[in-house]
Amino acid sequence: NAGVTQTPKFQVLKTGQSMTLQCAQDMNHEYMSWYRQDPGMGLRLIHYSVGAGITDQGEVPNGYNVSRSTTEDFPLRLLSAAPSQTSVYFCASSYTGQGNQPQHFGDGTRLSIL
Amino acid sequence: RKEVEQDPGPFNVPEGATVAFNCTYSNSASQSFFWYRQDCRKEPKLLMSVYSSGNEDGRFTAQLNRASQYISLLIRDSKLSDSATYLCVARGYQKVTFGTGTKLQVIP
Repeated sequence: NAGVTQTPKFQVLKTGQSMTLQCAQDMNHEYMSWYRQDPGMGLRLIHYSVGAGITDQGEVPNGYNVSRSTTEDFPLRLLSAAPSQTSVYFCASSYTGQGNQPQHFGDGTRLSIL
Repeated sequence: RKEVEQDPGPFNVPEGATVAFNCTYSNSASQSFFWYRQDCRKEPKLLMSVYSSGNEDGRFTAQLNRASQYISLLIRDSKLSDSATYLCVARGYQKVTFGTGTKLQVIP
């Protein structure tokens, strides 16, 4: 009954460091996405994927990379962390990228960049 | 203009009150709509889908007006446990857009 699993739950980085936020789902969902949530800004889409091997940019992709080598996993990479990337990051998945398909969210990763 | 707009609130209502949230969306190609609930420092959780014919789930009623590009959520007999932020969501082809949320505080 895992659903969408994100790791780590908390992370503190120094400016310039790189890291990967992990996201895995066990529901055989084709569509996966990454959001960041900042006060007053709501959820903003970073990158999304409609299936293994296919990724695309969302609203705020700069500074982030993604890959989708398997259906289950969709890691988000911060190439060179900046204080502006301090945020709460959510991974979400759904069966497809369209239609009446609600998204299921992971618990989130709280990231602070010093 | 944001693609999905909501009144941020907060809405402070007494227990037992009825409260209504509204949401407008600008992309006429949006195909499906949802209300999510988000508790402080938690992930969003699906509350209900929204259909043109209107749908009800216990104390919650959602309505969609495609002509006006307007979505609503009605909560009857508010409980303390309803205190949360309610997110309006519009889904198009491969794109999901969230509103910034409306905060509800139910007061004893």
